[in-house]
Amino acid sequence: AQSVTQPDIHITVSEGASLELRCNYSYGATPYLFWYVQSPGQGLQLLLKYFSGDTLVQGIKGFEAEFKRSQSSFNLRKPSVHWSDAAEYFCAVDNILTGGGNKLTFGTGTQLKVEL
Amino acid sequence: DAGVTQSPTHLIKTRGQQVTLRCSPKSGHDTVSWYQQALGQGPQFIFQYYEEEERQRGNFPDRFSGHQFPNYSSELNVNALLLGDSALYLCASSSRTGIETQYFGPGTRLLVL
Repeated sequence: AQSVTQPDIHITVSEGASLELRCNYSYGATPYLFWYVQSPGQGLQLLLKYFSGDTLVQGIKGFEAEFKRSQSSFNLRKPSVHWSDAAEYFCAVDNILTGGGNKLTFGTGTQLKVEL
Repeated sequence: DAGVTQSPTHLIKTRGQQVTLRCSPKSGHDTVSWYQQALGQGPQFIFQYYEEEERQRGNFPDRFSGHQFPNYSSELNVNALLLGDSALYLCASSSRTGIETQYFGPGTRLLVL
């Protein structure tokens, strides 16, 4: 069964510092990978996605992620963090189901705190 | 362009009661998925609806059921509520045309007392 691991439960960075959030997946086929962000009490907003092609994908709000098949990783990065980036970040893999349809399997999330 | 909408935003129920949550998908989308997000956890897939039928189901008991209407909107019903059903319930919509991104609504926060 597919799974997603986000090894860092909490991360604290200073405003203006760089950020990397780790994500490792276990999936038998070519994965479709996503990063979502969730502000307190809110739903999930899509940051970026990887389906195929260029392994470095750009997203909204200055985020990017790199797919590394050899390491089964899809880490999220941002060169300079803003205080408004404080939120919870979820990595997810899309499981294309044999009977049709698809479902997302999420990691447990990484809570980002930004120090001013 | 309206995104995914859900109602109500918050709900308080007692054990044993039944609850219905509603979702309207993003314009142009025909597939609706429901997820349960317990506190401090990632969302867990409940089921997915397309063409008014349940297409796939996650590891949830039969107390969880749903419906999709001809206009693609959807309902999630939970019977015989347990304390452990307290969670944020998220609806996501997508298009059936291929590998499509799921867009999420703001969720319904359910508290079972």
